[in-house]
Amino acid sequence: LAKTTQPISMDSYEGQEVNITCSHNNIATNDYITWYQQFPSQGPRFIIQGYKTKVTNEVASLFIPADRKSSTLSLPRVSLSDTAVYYCLVGDLGNQFYFGTGTSLTVIP
Amino acid sequence: GAVVSQHPSWVICKSGTSVKIECRSLDFQATTMFWYRQFPKQSLMLMATSNEGSKATYEQGVEKDKFLINHASLTLSTLTVTSAHPEDSSFYICSARDRGRAGWLQETQYFGPGTRLLVL
Repeated sequence: LAKTTQPISMDSYEGQEVNITCSHNNIATNDYITWYQQFPSQGPRFIIQGYKTKVTNEVASLFIPADRKSSTLSLPRVSLSDTAVYYCLVGDLGNQFYFGTGTSLTVIP
Repeated sequence: GAVVSQHPSWVICKSGTSVKIECRSLDFQATTMFWYRQFPKQSLMLMATSNEGSKATYEQGVEKDKFLINHASLTLSTLTVTSAHPEDSSFYICSARDRGRAGWLQETQYFGPGTRLLVL
């Protein structure tokens, strides 16, 4: 199973773009990269998922370089409500997910 | 779409009693569901993988006789904490994998809102 490494915490001011990078040096050919957001006392919420290059949806973008050994979640113009823990998971979608430490993002007014 | 519910959202019980937590996929069929536990300020820890119609697969260190999992239908999995003790107090979260959608996102896991268990 590919192990992921993320910064433990990040701070950002409101309105700024936030980029959270995840390292996954041992990613396998069949592995996808999935990002979740979790608020206190709630279940994780799916944000975005990708395999390679760039994926964009209405809330975020996911950048994956050609070697796929890392990925970057980009949140445009964050607001206070984006304060949460963000998890990067790597795995074969047919198997179980193991969560790492996640990145605690604090958005400052 | 892809909504997962849990019931109850929170429960308080006396030590020694058993507690059942339900996890339902509301708008899709889930052949596989997962159960996690999360302690304060910590990450989610996978407890077991539940496949419809078969026995659950437990992660190392998780007592299968204490955490009974039943996945009797494509939309329901239950976790029963038997003879609960204060150290079992935690936030229990289930997830379900949607296999009914077209495209590669069909394998994505969707999580329930969690159940807070407090054992006195």
